[in-house]
Amino acid sequence: GAVVSQHPSWVICKSGTSVKIECRSLDFQATTMFWYRQFPKQSLMLMATSNEGSKATYEQGVEKDKFLINHASLTLSTLTVTSAHPEDSSFYICSARMAGYEQYFGPGTRLTVT
Amino acid sequence: GENVEQHPSTLSVQEGDSAVIKCTYSDSASNYFPWYKQELGKRPQLIIDIRSNVGEKKDQRIAVTLNKTAKHFSLHITETQPEDSAVYFCAASIRVNNNDMRFGAGTRLTVKP
Repeated sequence: GAVVSQHPSWVICKSGTSVKIECRSLDFQATTMFWYRQFPKQSLMLMATSNEGSKATYEQGVEKDKFLINHASLTLSTLTVTSAHPEDSSFYICSARMAGYEQYFGPGTRLTVT
Repeated sequence: GENVEQHPSTLSVQEGDSAVIKCTYSDSASNYFPWYKQELGKRPQLIIDIRSNVGEKKDQRIAVTLNKTAKHFSLHITETQPEDSAVYFCAASIRVNNNDMRFGAGTRLTVKP
């Protein structure tokens, strides 16, 4: 089946610094990638949708200047959390979709901001 | 936009019993309804999905039903096993191209041996 990887799997950073998370589709070309945020024991909340070579579409309430998304190729999307604060601590999951309906999820990145 | 509600939030059953999780959606334009299983600390895994031109789909012990008129769909797990214990999420996509998938709040299923 299709495989999506994320790196890093977990990261701890200090308040005020920036953190970059990578999402890769390993064995297929993803026309669209999605970024989700998941708080403990809660559902997946869509943050943004990105199509290769174009600007990401952010969901209402998500600060585009704080959560920078780049989708430079059909196999790589990055999420950069800029000037991170403790309230940004969360589980960030990406997913990727090729032609069709199904989304394949990455393993997630646990971000802790101290 | 689309709003997906999921019930119950927690469900506990005895091994061998059936489990049913229900979801409703708000946008009649939604046409794709996947179900995901997420074990603790792991990624969501697609377990079954259904499209709006089908009323029911079955895969071994798992089945999904869809009622487009009432705008609700359900996940049925029969002969539950302890390894079925996980959080299950339903989802619905607004558009054909699946770019606006919305998830339900999740159901934590516990199967007691």
